[in-house]
Amino acid sequence: QVRLQESGPGLVKPSETLSLFCTVSGASITSETYSWAWIRQPPGKGLEWIGTINSDGSTFYNPSFKSRVTLSVDTSRNHFSLNLTSGTVADTAVYFCARQTLQWLTDFWGQGAFLTVSS
Amino acid sequence: QSPLAQPASLSGSPGQSINISCAGTTSDIGGYNFVSWFQQHPGKAPKLLIFDVSSRPSGISNRFSGSKSASTAYLVISNLQAEDEADYYCSSFRASSTRCVFGTGTMVAVL
Repeated sequence: QVRLQESGPGLVKPSETLSLFCTVSGASITSETYSWAWIRQPPGKGLEWIGTINSDGSTFYNPSFKSRVTLSVDTSRNHFSLNLTSGTVADTAVYFCARQTLQWLTDFWGQGAFLTVSS
Repeated sequence: QSPLAQPASLSGSPGQSINISCAGTTSDIGGYNFVSWFQQHPGKAPKLLIFDVSSRPSGISNRFSGSKSASTAYLVISNLQAEDEADYYCSSFRASSTRCVFGTGTMVAVL
């Protein structure tokens, strides 16, 4: 069974960089038939796609995040990561990592990690 | 970059059916059959209910069914049960720089 587990600092200060990691088990992150995504959910609000990275390292980002977001893959640890620079209070959310198929279906999700941006 | 449009809330009594709509455009729902639906209980991760418009993953009750007409997708929950009380989100591939788009979410209450 595929499992994804997010990890992160829990709290960052405004203007700092948000860094989150997702450890994948039960599947290889180098698989050519799947991609790996980050999706977030602010408190009381809906789901928002942040970006997706393929096994070859190619990336797709939500334009709403402009140049603030970077996704990367560490094949030696079978995990992928999210960096979001210039954090603001509006970035406070539960961050989910997930697996996506080549048809952009999000089929497996991590349990989510709550990250607060506050001074 | 606008999300797919869903009704904010719906309610029904046990045993009834509920129909949740998800309105998109020809760039997403209307142009592709890559529509999925998720159920989310409070504090939990979304759970996949429907993919490719109308397919159910293994283990999902046949009380959940999906369809689409033009640029609107639908999720029907039949024989509503107490455990169906949750938030529901649609999602679709979008042929733009925003490749993956979610709906605004619908809160379903079981009376």
